[in-house]
Amino acid sequence: EPEVTQTPSHQVTQMGQEVILRCVPISNHLYFYWYRQILGQKVEFLVSFYNNEISEKSEIFDDQFSVERPDGSNFTLKIRSTKLEDSAMYFCASSAKGGYGYTFGSGTRLTVV
Amino acid sequence: SQQGEEDPQALSIQEGENATMNCSYKTSINNLQWYRQNSGRGLVHLILIRSNEREKHSGRLRVTLDTSKKSSSLLITASRAADTASYFCATANTGNQFYFGTGTSLTVIP
Repeated sequence: EPEVTQTPSHQVTQMGQEVILRCVPISNHLYFYWYRQILGQKVEFLVSFYNNEISEKSEIFDDQFSVERPDGSNFTLKIRSTKLEDSAMYFCASSAKGGYGYTFGSGTRLTVV
Repeated sequence: SQQGEEDPQALSIQEGENATMNCSYKTSINNLQWYRQNSGRGLVHLILIRSNEREKHSGRLRVTLDTSKKSSSLLITASRAADTASYFCATANTGNQFYFGTGTSLTVIP
């Protein structure tokens, strides 16, 4: 069964450093998403991406965040200057059609120290 | 906020019993999905029910949707220890984002 692959599975970074979280969506999917889950809290929407541009973003997705699909297969989330409160599990997802049939990756646990 | 809210927050049952979890939401939806998450792991899609559907089955899972009450339920029949996980409902409107609830933590005791 097709999978969404995320790397790394766990990343530890110093506060203020830039991090890039990587995702390989399912190959024939057109919609891409990032969600995050702070430990013990609910899963929160960050951003959706379609046709090489952001289609929706939440209040969480401020100027410190950016997304990119650099080569037609990878989908990346960059956090420019990490803060302690950015520590969370970050999930990438993709779907063939917007709002339906998400497939989530297994997540990247980001720890900011 | 459209976010779903699951009830109960925690549920503990014996293996073989049925587990029922409920989800309520606030605004109109296109569809509702249930996801499972093992501790510290990713989200696994279980089942999607569209707004014009009332009931759906998948193996030991049964999902109902009552749009008049803005609620859904997930029933896991003949539970197993391996069903121990957190279960989330997620609602989608006409946009591209899902709104997740806080989840029900299910413990199945062998």
